[in-house]
Amino acid sequence: KNQVEQSPQSLIILEGKNCTLQCNYTVSPFSNLRWYKQDTGRGPVSLTIMTFSENTKSNGRYTATLDADTKQSSLHITASQLSDSASYICVVRNNNAGNMLTFGGGTRLMVKP
Amino acid sequence: ETGVTQTPRHLVMGMTNKKSLKCEQHLGHNAMYWYKQSAKKPLELMFVYNFKEQTENNSVPSRFSPECPNSSHLFLHLHTLQPEDSALYLCASSQETGNSYNEQFFGPGTRLTVL
Repeated sequence: KNQVEQSPQSLIILEGKNCTLQCNYTVSPFSNLRWYKQDTGRGPVSLTIMTFSENTKSNGRYTATLDADTKQSSLHITASQLSDSASYICVVRNNNAGNMLTFGGGTRLMVKP
Repeated sequence: ETGVTQTPRHLVMGMTNKKSLKCEQHLGHNAMYWYKQSAKKPLELMFVYNFKEQTENNSVPSRFSPECPNSSHLFLHLHTLQPEDSALYLCASSQETGNSYNEQFFGPGTRLTVL
């Protein structure tokens, strides 16, 4: 069964600190993995997409990694800001007919001043 | 803004009411989706429309009825809902070209409360 597990479920950090969010998946065959940011009261917005051959990709203060062998991804946030407070959702796409998406449950991040 | 709008943003209804959620995308995409997001649960895909044709229905109860009159508009008609249907309902769109990297763009959602 295709599954995406994220940890931790929630996280509180102080402004300016770094943090790392984890995503483990069992989706097969693998096509790509996206990290979405969902602010309160808004829909998810894509931060980055990782394909099979990519190990690291950065988008400003966000850096995503992918280990396709262990089926793990991480999202590292550097020098956190109050506006980083949101839910971060890991989404993995199948590489078969239908190209279905499997969503993780998300990590709820709160950045405090 | 992502180019996908949803109305209303908040809705409170009784179990005997009939209401509709509306979604409009301004991105020229050919596929639209309805998702249900409940607290502490992953997003659940409800319906998929490709070129206005329904291609996916993930065993959704018949009290939810989708309608896609054209490639820019998507509705979700609601009737005789249950309290457990209370959730955030998200609409999304994408340009499906057979490329598996197509990004889905989400609307802000409708927060539904069923009393």
